[in-house]
This record gives sequence, C-alpha cells and structure tokens, in this order.
Amino acid sequence: EPEVTQTPSHQVTQMGQEVILRCVPISNHLYFYWYRQILGQKVEFLVSFYNNEISEKSEIFDDQFSVERPDGSNFTLKIRSTKLEDSAMYFCASSDRVLGEQYFGPGTRLTVT
Amino acid sequence: TQLLEQSPQFLSIQEGENLTVYCNSSSVFSSLQWYRQEPGEGPVLLVTVVTGGEVKKLKRLTFQFGDARKDSSLHITAAQTGDTGLYLCAGATPTNAGKSTFGDGTTLTVKP
Repeated sequence: EPEVTQTPSHQVTQMGQEVILRCVPISNHLYFYWYRQILGQKVEFLVSFYNNEISEKSEIFDDQFSVERPDGSNFTLKIRSTKLEDSAMYFCASSDRVLGEQYFGPGTRLTVT
Repeated sequence: TQLLEQSPQFLSIQEGENLTVYCNSSSVFSSLQWYRQEPGEGPVLLVTVVTGGEVKKLKRLTFQFGDARKDSSLHITAAQTGDTGLYLCAGATPTNAGKSTFGDGTTLTVKP
C-alpha cells in the first residue's frame, strides 16, 4: 500500500541553524501539507501546497519557514533559523484532491538545543 | 478561527463496553476526518465524512456527521484493548479548503 515517507526520523540541531525536513508524498497525490505537533499538544496546520505554490498557511508559518517541491517526488520544509520553540514532531501529509483524505507520514522529531 | 472541541478528553473503559466520543464546532465543515494516533507516530486516517447526516461504519466503529455539518461522533461497540489510542477529528471549512483544523483528541484506554 502506498505511504508517505519522511526523513530523517529524528533531527537534532542547534538554535539558529537551518534545517530541512524531507517528505516523499504518495506518488499520484497533488496536494501536500505540513503539520507540527509539540509534545503533548494538538496537531497544528502549517501549510498546504498545490500546483507548486502555497494554498493556505497558518500564523505559525512565518518568514522563517518555506516549502519546496524540488523535483517530482520530494516535498520539503525548511526552517531558516531554528528556535527552541520549533522543537516538535513535524508531519507531512498528502491527498489526491482538495478536501480528500490526507495520509500522514510517520513524522520527523525535531529537537532544537 | 475554526475550533474543534473533542469530548471527553480522556476515557477509560473495560474491554467489551461501548463508547462514544464527540467532536463539536460552531463552524460548518465541508469534510471531517477521524484519525487514530499512536505515541510517536503520525495520525492514521479512519474515515472521512462529507454529507450532513452521513453515517459510516468501519467494523465496530460507527461515524456520524451532524445534519448541519458542525459536529461528528465516533461510536465503538464492544471495545477491545487494541482500540486504545488517541482519537482525533479534523475538518476543513468551505472557505479554507486547504487547511485542516484538528481537535485536541480523546485519549481512550481500554482495560482488559
């Protein structure tokens, strides 16, 4: 069964460093999403992406965040200068249509020290 | 801001019992999803409901979307220990179709 994959599973970085989180969505899906979940808190929407541009973004997704689909298979989330409060699980999801079922990856645990 | 409130927040029951968890909002949703999440893993989709009044069944799980598309419920019949987990609802509104809002979740513990 097709699935969303994410790498790395765990990323430790120092405050101020740039990180890139990678996702490979399900191959025939066209809509891509990033979410984050701070430990013990709810899943929070960050951004949705379709047709090589951002469709929606939340207040969390400020100028420090960017997304890219550099090729036909990868979808990345970049945090330019990480802060302690960026420590969280980051989940990528994909869907084959707007309002369609979103399938989540296993997540990347980001730890900022 | 669309808010999804889930209740109860925690639920602990004995194996074999039935239970219902709720997801409520003041907003109308175009679609609503139920997920189950294990610790340290991503949410796993259980079902999507899109039509007001819709009822979907997945083995012992019954999902209902309210007539006004503002609320939903998940009913589990004869709960098993394997049903233990965090149950999340998430929805998208007509004006923010690309943005899913998640509820805080209901943590279910089924004891043997």
